[in-house]
Amino acid sequence: DAGVTQSPTHLIKTRGQQVTLRCSPKSGHDTVSWYQQALGQGPQFIFQYYEEEERQRGNFPDRFSGHQFPNYSSELNVNALLLGDSALYLCASIRSGGSYEQYFGPGTRLTVT
Amino acid sequence: AQRVTQPEKLLSVFKGAPVELKCNYSYSGSPELFWYVQYSRQRLQLLLRHISRESIKGFTADLNKGETSFHLKKPFAQEEDSAMYYCALSPQGAQKLVFGQGTRLTINP
Repeated sequence: DAGVTQSPTHLIKTRGQQVTLRCSPKSGHDTVSWYQQALGQGPQFIFQYYEEEERQRGNFPDRFSGHQFPNYSSELNVNALLLGDSALYLCASIRSGGSYEQYFGPGTRLTVT
Repeated sequence: AQRVTQPEKLLSVFKGAPVELKCNYSYSGSPELFWYVQYSRQRLQLLLRHISRESIKGFTADLNKGETSFHLKKPFAQEEDSAMYYCALSPQGAQKLVFGQGTRLTINP
């Protein structure tokens, strides 16, 4: 099991563009969360997907949206990119039903110029 | 409001010395508290959680509800402990994490 995988590893976009990041959860996990980690800061919760629905959401604007597929993989979409969206985006997966340990992916480094 | 505060961005100690990484939290309910660690060129991983009361790699952390603290301690630091450490809380009933800003621990030989 490769654990949580994310693609791409790095991405450079221009202000105003749109971006899609992808995540495959650890085998046996059905819940995916996305976090944004700005330079020098801790990860900040964006939202969580379970059963293809957004279950929880952090304090992020509607420009941030997501999707979960029947195989539990997930996408994070960001529209109208701003310079401040430059960050490391982390995906974490967990098995619902009482499990406590979130497994993190390596992250996607997004740079907005 | 849910908040985790790690007052030290950087902490440097000598090998064999005791280590304490501070963490304070604010949450009105009963959170779960965790310490996550990120070693160089590795992904973020769970180090320990308060409920298990385990000692992992020699580290322990005690939840002090009165002081709303969850400090991470190790009596004798080792060079391989050098890493980024994040304290995090999970609100009751939610499988999400609220992280502190992290403390970079450097163990000097």
